[in-house]
Amino acid sequence: DSGVTQTPKHLITATGQRVTLRCSPRSGDLSVYWYQQSLDQGLQFLIQYYNGEERAKGNILERFSAQQFPDLHSELNLSSLELGDSALYFCASSVGGAASGNTIYFGEGSWLTVV
Amino acid sequence: GIQVEQSPPDLILQEGANSTLRCNFSDSVNNLQWFHQNPWGQLINLFYIPSGTKQNGRLSATTVATERYSLLYISSSQTTDSGVYFCAPRGWYGGSQGNLIFGKGTKLSVKP
Repeated sequence: DSGVTQTPKHLITATGQRVTLRCSPRSGDLSVYWYQQSLDQGLQFLIQYYNGEERAKGNILERFSAQQFPDLHSELNLSSLELGDSALYFCASSVGGAASGNTIYFGEGSWLTVV
Repeated sequence: GIQVEQSPPDLILQEGANSTLRCNFSDSVNNLQWFHQNPWGQLINLFYIPSGTKQNGRLSATTVATERYSLLYISSSQTTDSGVYFCAPRGWYGGSQGNLIFGKGTKLSVKP
């Protein structure tokens, strides 16, 4: 158990819909990262937050957005869903921001299926 | 950005055999992690190893940052070692550390 909690574990939804994935980082971790794993693109970095502020952006679509709340939990919002958005979405956390070297721990992921 | 190449892409072992997985990266890094993704999709952190050698039970890892590669050794493999092994270096962006960049992984199957 990495200490990073993600909900829901599985989600099936229809095209055009909107879903929210939730992540609670490990106790004491200030950084939260979101990654997407699909069969054709592999594991891709989406976005990072540090202590409530966006720190870095990767290959995140405009239809997707995220935020980190004052209690440090984070949500990833996926809207106007398409079949190609079906993937395993990981949340990860670490103690420091991008400037500090430390281990990044991953949650168990949220399986999203768009039908 | 950093390019990550892992080899071999696929590996089949008999239980009890040893193996070495390799990760080459294209740029200087100061952080590298190895992960095991089990058949249920969980990404399990194996090593944080920006340089040097570390051992954890039957697994050990070595990173030679100056030569831009890392190795993961699995000894006396077990069926529970099956899954995909990812190398993920962390590069530099604008003077600070960037995020983990994942390779395509090595898919390991250990047969009983």
